Amino acid sequence: TQLLEQSPQFLSIQEGENLTVYCNSSSVFSSLQWYRQEPGEGPVLLVTVVTGGEVKKLKRLTFQFGDARKDSSLHITAAQPGDTGLYLCAGAPTGGGNKLTFGTGTQLKVEL
Amino acid sequence: NAGVTQTPKFQVLKTGQSMTLQCAQDMNHEYMSWYRQDPGMGLRLIHYSVGAGITDQGEVPNGYNVSRSTTEDFPLRLLSAAPSQTSVYFCASSYSPSGGLNTQYFGPGTRLTVL
Repeated sequence: TQLLEQSPQFLSIQEGENLTVYCNSSSVFSSLQWYRQEPGEGPVLLVTVVTGGEVKKLKRLTFQFGDARKDSSLHITAAQPGDTGLYLCAGAPTGGGNKLTFGTGTQLKVEL
Repeated sequence: NAGVTQTPKFQVLKTGQSMTLQCAQDMNHEYMSWYRQDPGMGLRLIHYSVGAGITDQGEVPNGYNVSRSTTEDFPLRLLSAAPSQTSVYFCASSYSPSGGLNTQYFGPGTRLTVL
């Protein structure tokens, strides 16, 4: 079973601060996705990274896939209250397909 | 398009009762799956289907059954509910060409409590 550990589990910061969320595994993934989930709703896809070392930017969010494709990070610059939510990473198996392994989640709260 | 719909939104069961969680999608997606979400554990895959008539077990299948008679519907059945099945259940679907990873679209979830 492939496991994905996220850290930190909880993060409470002030508006304007920067933060990084980590997603780590001992297994190799063919690609990795990041989702954001708000209370009472299902997760929504933010990004997919497919190449080791790949960096993708989505406005104030920067996603990186580790060179060995075992880890990933999400960096948020100048966090805003609208960034509050549960962030989940999800890895796809090396054989391809849509059977994802989800990380343990990082609950982010951004306060004014 | 309604996307992925789930019913009911909330459900309370007594231990030993059975029930079916409904999931439907109108995007003609081949791949559908069921997850449960528990605090500190992310989402864990229960069962999944790569097309009508084809289902397979995920990480935590015990106590659950599924069937896929149509592309649109993927119901999850709890055979004899147990308190350990108290959780939030999410259904998801995605377009699934061979070898590709695509966006998974999630339903709004069903919050189940087993007393």
